[in-house]
Amino acid sequence: QKEVEQNSGPLSVPEGAIASLNCTYSDRGSQSFFWYRQYSGKSPELIMSIYSNGDKEDGRFTAQLNKASQYVSLLIRDSQPSDSATYLCAVIISGTYKYIFGTGTRLKVLA
Amino acid sequence: DAMVIQNPRYQVTQFGKPVTLSCSQTLNHNVMYWYQQKSSQAPKLLFHYYDKDFNNEADTPDNFQSRRPNTSFCFLDIRSPGLGDAAMYLCATSRDPGQSYEQYFGPGTRLTVT
Repeated sequence: QKEVEQNSGPLSVPEGAIASLNCTYSDRGSQSFFWYRQYSGKSPELIMSIYSNGDKEDGRFTAQLNKASQYVSLLIRDSQPSDSATYLCAVIISGTYKYIFGTGTRLKVLA
Repeated sequence: DAMVIQNPRYQVTQFGKPVTLSCSQTLNHNVMYWYQQKSSQAPKLLFHYYDKDFNNEADTPDNFQSRRPNTSFCFLDIRSPGLGDAAMYLCATSRDPGQSYEQYFGPGTRLTVT
């Protein structure tokens, strides 16, 4: 059974701080990793994809991948109240094009 | 704008009354997925199509079926909805994995079963 694990939170950070969200996965062969943001009652929105070890930056978001540790993280710099949402980590199961999702971490940015 | 569209956005049905949810895409993506998401849970893959090739998840109930008549459209049929089928149903698409692995979701259909 392939799994993706996330801390459910809530993770509370003050406005302007860095939010750090973490995810571990069980499929050692996985090569593709994604972060989605999901507001309450809405569908997931893709915010970052990462395929290689190291960091990938896009605006205020940085994704970090460590395949040896089977760990992927998302940093949100200068957090805003509008960033308050659930962040889902997703992984493609090796040898397929099926995605498996974590249950998400709920982020609350306090004004 | 290229997008994934789901209709209806909200659907109320009675226990046991068949219901069909629809999804269309203007992205010309090869792969289409149907997920079920309940409150505070991860999206759960029900099935997916690679072009016309249908792939059913082993734990998807027989009550759920799907059709993809062409590249743009995909339907989810729930033959006899039970109270436990109340959820958000999400359609998503992605390109051929050789081109891009990114998956994009439609806005979802919220299903209520009375």
